[in-house]
Amino acid sequence: AQKVTQAQTEISVVEKEDVTLDCVYETRDTTYYLFWYKQPPSGELVFLIRRNSFDEQNEISGRYSWNFQKSTSSFNFTITASQVVDSAVYFCALRDTGRRALTFGSGTRLQVQP
Amino acid sequence: DAGVTQSPTHLIKTRGQQVTLRCSPISGHKSVSWYQQVLGQGPQFIFQYYEKEERGRGNFPDRFSARQFPNYSSELNVNALLLGDSALYLCASSLSRSGGPDEQFFGPGTRLTVL
Repeated sequence: AQKVTQAQTEISVVEKEDVTLDCVYETRDTTYYLFWYKQPPSGELVFLIRRNSFDEQNEISGRYSWNFQKSTSSFNFTITASQVVDSAVYFCALRDTGRRALTFGSGTRLQVQP
Repeated sequence: DAGVTQSPTHLIKTRGQQVTLRCSPISGHKSVSWYQQVLGQGPQFIFQYYEKEERGRGNFPDRFSARQFPNYSSELNVNALLLGDSALYLCASSLSRSGGPDEQFFGPGTRLTVL
């Protein structure tokens, strides 16, 4: 069975601090896809990134970076120099090729204080 | 381009009633998925439709049903509402039904409150 664990329920940082959100997943498939979504207070899930299981290259997009480690089944998300606008709930999600649905973690609420 | 749209934004119902939620996907997207997000939890998969056919179903009772129309819009119906059905209902659209990498883009959701 698929499972996504986000052990950090809530993180509070001060603006300009770096913060890492952890994600650990379980799947029996050898081919799968990992996602991160951001959910601001408005409620809409905003797509941030997708990684394929066969591509372990880490990725950087502006202040965002992602560290995919297949050996530890982790897909962590780092925000560098956090800003108040980064305050939101962040979800990690998994989809394998056999399912058509996303399996989400329980989310991490990030609060960035000015 | 317009994103995924959902209506209504908010809805209040009483136990035992029935509700219909609506979703219009991004233009060109043929697949629509529905998720339920209870407060404080991650979204849970309910249904996926592609080309008007059900392609996946989550662990939800038969009180939940859905359909997709020729224009790819979709409706989610919930009968005999229970207090536990109170949640944010999210619709997502994607290009295809495959288990491949295409991203799902989410709408703003319908917040359902059951009293």
